[in-house]
Amino acid sequence: SQQGEEDPQALSIQEGENATMNCSYKTSINNLQWYRQNSGRGLVHLILIRSNEREKHSGRLRVTLDTSKKSSSLLITASRAADTASYFCATEAKGTDKLIFGTGTRLQVFP
Amino acid sequence: EPEVTQTPSHQVTQMGQEVILRCVPISNHLYFYWYRQILGQKVEFLVSFYNNEISEKSEIFDDQFSVERPDGSNFTLKIRSTKLEDSAMYFCASSEVFTTSTDTQYFGPGTRLTVL
Repeated sequence: SQQGEEDPQALSIQEGENATMNCSYKTSINNLQWYRQNSGRGLVHLILIRSNEREKHSGRLRVTLDTSKKSSSLLITASRAADTASYFCATEAKGTDKLIFGTGTRLQVFP
Repeated sequence: EPEVTQTPSHQVTQMGQEVILRCVPISNHLYFYWYRQILGQKVEFLVSFYNNEISEKSEIFDDQFSVERPDGSNFTLKIRSTKLEDSAMYFCASSEVFTTSTDTQYFGPGTRLTVL
């Protein structure tokens, strides 16, 4: 079984719509981090939410964390074409310092 | 804004050759990491490094791999004898250390390694 599975695998929306991506994980965590990756490029850190937090905002991003369900969601509001990228969740499990990445959601925002 | 840098951006090598990938972590960070991403696959953890020693390593990080912090700024990943399956994007990351856990990991732009 995999730690960090996102759904949907791919999402296509129009500019101005909201995009919601979900992530599930399996172990107890210290924190969960969301990253963005443009095709063939590096990983850009978006937001970190700690295990004792339930919701966090950063600009147009809203992240929720439900540790009882071992799940998180990333909401991008009022999407723009420039938001087109792959989005990954990554968990830092308790007792470790490594990040375990999910499979990612490919978001396409059409102008 | 401080950032992690990596060189080279692209490395092409012959199978069996040694390669060294270089990283300059963010200057006040104390934890350093290497990850890799084979084309079309997940980002995978390789190794973490703290206080001049390996903190944790994955099954991928076998005897062919080594890491070093040769001076106060660089952090390197060496692959002694490259295999075709080592072809991937290699990411360096760094983080500060908080009292109870590490924190945000900032990633470099990656080095694309192609083994022929």
